[in-house]
Order: sequence, then C-alpha cells, then structure tokens
Amino acid sequence: GQSLEQPSEVTAVEGAIVQINCTYQTSGFYGLSWYQQHDGGAPTFLSYNGLDGLEETGRFSSFLSRSDSYGYLLLQELQMKDSASYFCAMKGNYGQNFVFGPGTRLSVLP
Amino acid sequence: EAGVAQSPRYKIIEKRQSVAFWCNPISGHATLYWYQQILGQGPKLLIQFQNNGVVDDSQLPKDRFSAERLKGVDSTLKIQPAKLEDSAVYLCASSLEGTINQPQHFGDGTRLSIL
Repeated sequence: GQSLEQPSEVTAVEGAIVQINCTYQTSGFYGLSWYQQHDGGAPTFLSYNGLDGLEETGRFSSFLSRSDSYGYLLLQELQMKDSASYFCAMKGNYGQNFVFGPGTRLSVLP
Repeated sequence: EAGVAQSPRYKIIEKRQSVAFWCNPISGHATLYWYQQILGQGPKLLIQFQNNGVVDDSQLPKDRFSAERLKGVDSTLKIQPAKLEDSAVYLCASSLEGTINQPQHFGDGTRLSIL
C-alpha cells in the first residue's frame, strides 16, 4: 500500500524559518506535491518535486530525496497568514490513487 | 479563469436520507476528482474521472456512493443512504491531466452533517 507521515503540529514565530517533513512508503513513485489549506478553505497547490533536490518558489521551497523516501517543505520569512495546514501528497504506480498525508498544522505566533 | 464551483456549500440531513453534490470544474480540465475530508485529516480520494471515464474508484463505498460525469464536464456525487460516518467536507478538484505534477484546483467543498 501507500502511506505518508507528517508531524501533526508545528509552531514558529513571525519572520522565522520552519521545515515540515514528509516521509512516504509506496511500491512505485511519481513525485511529491505540497498543498496548503486554511481553516474552512480549499487546498491550494504549492509545489511539486519529481526529481531529487530543491525547488524554490518565492518564500516556499520543497525538497525531495527518493533514496530516503523523504521530502520537506521549507517556509521562510514566516507571516501570520502562513498559519494553515500543509499536506504532502503522492501518486504511486499506475492504478494507485492519489494519497494525501495527514497534514501538519502550522501556527505562526507574533 | 473561473475556479471550481461546488454546490451546495452546506447540507444537513438525517441518517438514511440521500444527498447529492454538484461540481463544475475549470473549463478545459480533463480530470476531475472527488475527495472526502474528515475533520483533522487529509483529503481521501473517492473517485477520479478522465473526461467522462472513471480512472480510479477503488476507495468509493459503492454500496452507498455513486458518481457520474456526463459529457466530461459537470459531475455529481450521491450518497444513499447516508450514515453518521459520512459527515465530512466533500471536495471536488480538477486538473488539466491526472498526473501528480499537474496542480489540482479545489472547490470550496460541501460540508455535510449527518444527524
């Protein structure tokens, strides 16, 4: 089967840097995506990693290591509006569906 | 561009009743997804359509849930009969293609409460 693990909660202060980790298990792997979801809102796409390494998009970066079955989302210069839940998601081999992780709730404190 | 539209926004029904949700994806998006999100959990894929064909419905409880996507555009998800455990937010998403590298665009969801 497929599964993803994330920390349930992370807390940081404004202006800081925070890293949200994601480990996965799957028999096949096509890549890892990250989504942000504010309370009561819809998930929104943040980034995708298909190959090992770092992808940077503004204040957000995402990293993938296929050999370690591990990825992370890095948020820099934290702002209050970054308080939300963050989900990693993957898709395995053909016939396996999209799987979202359990989510990490980020609280940014003033 | 207009986003993914879903209705209704909220629905309250009693157990054993039936309910239907509607989704209109972003124009030109071939792939449509229905997810169930229970409070405090990640979205769980129920069914994935590519145009009007089903790609994956392995996690759809087919004894009570059904979905269709007529003409490869709008889609409806139905629950009949509803159980207490179906209380959740039902999210519809669409993407250009059904690959992991393509961003999925989500609607605001339908919050379903079963009494």
